[in-house]
Amino acid sequence: AQSVTQLDSQVPVFEEAPVELRCNYSSSVSVYLFWYVQYPNQGLQLLLKYLSGSTLVKGINGFEAEFNKSQTSFHLRKPSVHISDTAEYFCAVSASKDNFNKFYFGSGTKLNVKP
Amino acid sequence: GAGVSQSPSNKVTEKGKDVELRCDPISGHTALYWYRQSLGQGLEFLIYFQGNSAPDKSGLPSDRFSAERTGGSVSTLTIQRTQQEDSAVYLCASSLSTGTYEQYFGPGTRLTVT
Repeated sequence: AQSVTQLDSQVPVFEEAPVELRCNYSSSVSVYLFWYVQYPNQGLQLLLKYLSGSTLVKGINGFEAEFNKSQTSFHLRKPSVHISDTAEYFCAVSASKDNFNKFYFGSGTKLNVKP
Repeated sequence: GAGVSQSPSNKVTEKGKDVELRCDPISGHTALYWYRQSLGQGLEFLIYFQGNSAPDKSGLPSDRFSAERTGGSVSTLTIQRTQQEDSAVYLCASSLSTGTYEQYFGPGTRLTVT
């Protein structure tokens, strides 16, 4: 079975500081990796995804993530955060089973950007 | 174009009552997913539809939960004899097909069982 671990439930950070949100997964098969963001009172939207190719993936709003197969990690980073980045971030893993990509989500990390 | 919509946005019900939650996927999306998000928890996969059929129902927590999809479009998640532990936000997502990995999420239905 797959599992996704987001090690930090909350991350406070000051505006313009760098941030890293950690995500580790367990899987014995090839997976696809995603980060979703949920702004207050909104639905989840895709930030970025890794399917294959370059292990460094760039997404929207200046975020990027690096797939590290040996460490089974997919940490999300941004060099300089804004107040508007305050949201909850979910890491997700998709594994193929019976021609169906089942998603497994982490418990989320709340990013709180302070002025 | 319109995104995924869900109704109602909020539902308060008494323990033991049945509830129906509705999801309207993006037009043309053949795959539809239901998730449950409990307080402080991640998203828990419930069920998936490809067209009108549900190849994977393994996530349904109990036989009180059921879901259907008609016309390859609207889906309804039904919870019978609701319990307090059913209180959560129920999220629906759709995607073009199983070959397209991005899921588009609706705003969710917040269910409170009193």
